[in-house]
Amino acid sequence: DAKTTQPTSMDCAEGRAANLPCNHSTISGNEYVYWYRQIHSQGPQYIIHGLKNNETNEMASLIITEDRKSSTLILPHATLRDTAVYYCIVRVAVEGKLIFGQGTTLQVKP
Amino acid sequence: DGGITQSPKYLFRKEGQNVTLSCEQNLNHDAMYWYRQDPGQGLRLIYYSQIVNDFQKGDIAEGYSVSREKKESFPLTVTSAQKNPTAFYLCASSSGGSRTDTQYFGPGTRLTVL
Repeated sequence: DAKTTQPTSMDCAEGRAANLPCNHSTISGNEYVYWYRQIHSQGPQYIIHGLKNNETNEMASLIITEDRKSSTLILPHATLRDTAVYYCIVRVAVEGKLIFGQGTTLQVKP
Repeated sequence: DGGITQSPKYLFRKEGQNVTLSCEQNLNHDAMYWYRQDPGQGLRLIYYSQIVNDFQKGDIAEGYSVSREKKESFPLTVTSAQKNPTAFYLCASSSGGSRTDTQYFGPGTRLTVL
């Protein structure tokens, strides 16, 4: 499975967009990009995933570069409740395993 | 409400004792997973099961055992052979067999071995 690289931490002002980058330069053609977040002492929460097209749902948008070597998770209007560790994961379709790295700790500030 | 339940939320055991963590789902998912998380770290896969009565070892299966007798249940036993059992244990499930097989997680059980 491809390895991902994320910044260790980021800050964002409440109400502003939070843009979380992820590098996955060794991603293969059949590997999806998944994003989860984990609030302290809770189970990870699924956010969004994509293969090569940009995706949007009620929580976030996922922008994947044309070469698929990097992606950005966008929380359009961050709130204090969005403070969490955000994990970018690439995984082969159908396989069961998610490989979690260290993630990005997003701190949303008033 | 559909979801994944894990019990108990906190568990304390003495060193050398086996302990079983519960995971139940009512999502009608075929696949279930167990992960372990240590402080400041990502999750690591212990065991997974794609179907009833079948399961496979993950990356760190030593010292753990599982069973999958029912679709909705996937209990994990932490045995005395596990050298560092104190951790946060997370169970997940997914529908299985799909190209976009999203895993959904339970709230976790924090195990402390004294």
